[in-house]
Amino acid sequence: GAVVSQHPSWVICKSGTSVKIECRSLDFQATTMFWYRQFPKQSLMLMATSNEGSKATYEQGVEKDKFLINHASLTLSTLTVTSAHPEDSSFYICSARLPSSSYNEQFFGPGTRLTVL
Amino acid sequence: GENVEQHPSTLSVQEGDSAVIKCTYSDSASNYFPWYKQELGKGPQLIIDIRSNVGEKKDQRIAVTLNKTAKHFSLHITETQPEDSAVYFCAARLTGTASKLTFGTGTRLQVTL
Repeated sequence: GAVVSQHPSWVICKSGTSVKIECRSLDFQATTMFWYRQFPKQSLMLMATSNEGSKATYEQGVEKDKFLINHASLTLSTLTVTSAHPEDSSFYICSARLPSSSYNEQFFGPGTRLTVL
Repeated sequence: GENVEQHPSTLSVQEGDSAVIKCTYSDSASNYFPWYKQELGKGPQLIIDIRSNVGEKKDQRIAVTLNKTAKHFSLHITETQPEDSAVYFCAARLTGTASKLTFGTGTRLQVTL
């Protein structure tokens, strides 16, 4: 149980285009999902908290108009990188909070590697 | 906010030896401390966690200890195997922060034959 998937696993795009990444909780409903960014050999940095049916909460320094998050259902959150530039190239990872857990365990997706040319 | 420090950044051990990774946190209000294993090109996988009301937890070859007074927690892997080679991250969660985790900087563990 507690499986989280991401799609696509990797994507290459041209500078200036937009890219959408999907995060799905496969065997549980997740009211809260999280989006992280990880640069090579670095730790995970939380970008935003995605709440089903409401606006996402962004961390300081993360541009909400550039990284659009939609959490329209209890099993799907999407992250759209708008007008992507080479500096947006990174490994994007989502996680979903297990609602039945009293300590709110998070389970992570396999990540999406974005390369912007 | 919470700040988590992790040491060492790299660790090389021989197969069969033990490995210990240590983390410290800054906010005494943190109450949940998970450990994740991340293999190359993959997302982190939860391997063990500990709550603030427990001092030690063990799961086969993996154990975690928590010292709330000193605000540090450690991961212990015994009888290491080559498949244990990966990057390990500790994390801490503040009470009442909507499940937000603060991650350590990671430890790259290499188990050599």
